[in-house]
Amino acid sequence: AQSVAQPEDQVNVAEGNPLTVKCTYSVSGNPYLFWYVQYPNRGLQFLLKYITGDNLVKGSYGFEAEFNKSQTSFHLKKPSALVSDSALYFCAVTADFTGFQKLVFGTGTRLLVSP
Amino acid sequence: KAGVTQTPRYLIKTRGQQVTLSCSPISGHRSVSWYQQTPGQGLQFLFEYFSETQRNKGNFPGRFSGRQFSNSRSEMNVSTLELGDSALYLCASSLEGRTPETQYFGPGTRLLVL
Repeated sequence: AQSVAQPEDQVNVAEGNPLTVKCTYSVSGNPYLFWYVQYPNRGLQFLLKYITGDNLVKGSYGFEAEFNKSQTSFHLKKPSALVSDSALYFCAVTADFTGFQKLVFGTGTRLLVSP
Repeated sequence: KAGVTQTPRYLIKTRGQQVTLSCSPISGHRSVSWYQQTPGQGLQFLFEYFSETQRNKGNFPGRFSGRQFSNSRSEMNVSTLELGDSALYLCASSLEGRTPETQYFGPGTRLLVL
């Protein structure tokens, strides 16, 4: 069975500082990993995904994520946080052997960026 | 290109009633998936439709059903509503519904069951 863990319910960071939102996964087969962001009363917005290749994936709004196969992690990062980055972040996984798209999500991490 | 649209955005129903939610995918996308989001259970996969056929189903009771039309628009139906069905229902679309395509989500329909 596939699973995703986001160990932190909330991450607090000051504006201008780097941020990291953690994600670890468990999956049989090769993982496909995604990050989505959710603003209040909105759906999920796609940030980035890892399929294969370069372990550092660059996405929207200056976000990037680092895939680490040995640690089964896919942490989301940004060099300099903005107040407008405050939102709920979800990591999700699916596996290559399934063929069909069915995302398994983590519980989400609330990011709070203070001015 | 217009994004995924969902109607209505908000719904209030009472226990025992039924409800139908609608989703229009991004133009050209043929796969539509539905997810339920609740504070307690998080985001859970309901089902996925492609070419008017349900290809994948999550672990939900039979009260939850869906369908897809020839224009790829999808509806989901919940019968005999329970208080626990209160949730944000999210629809997502992708081209063919195959890994590792990206799913694009709509704004959701917030259902409150009283």
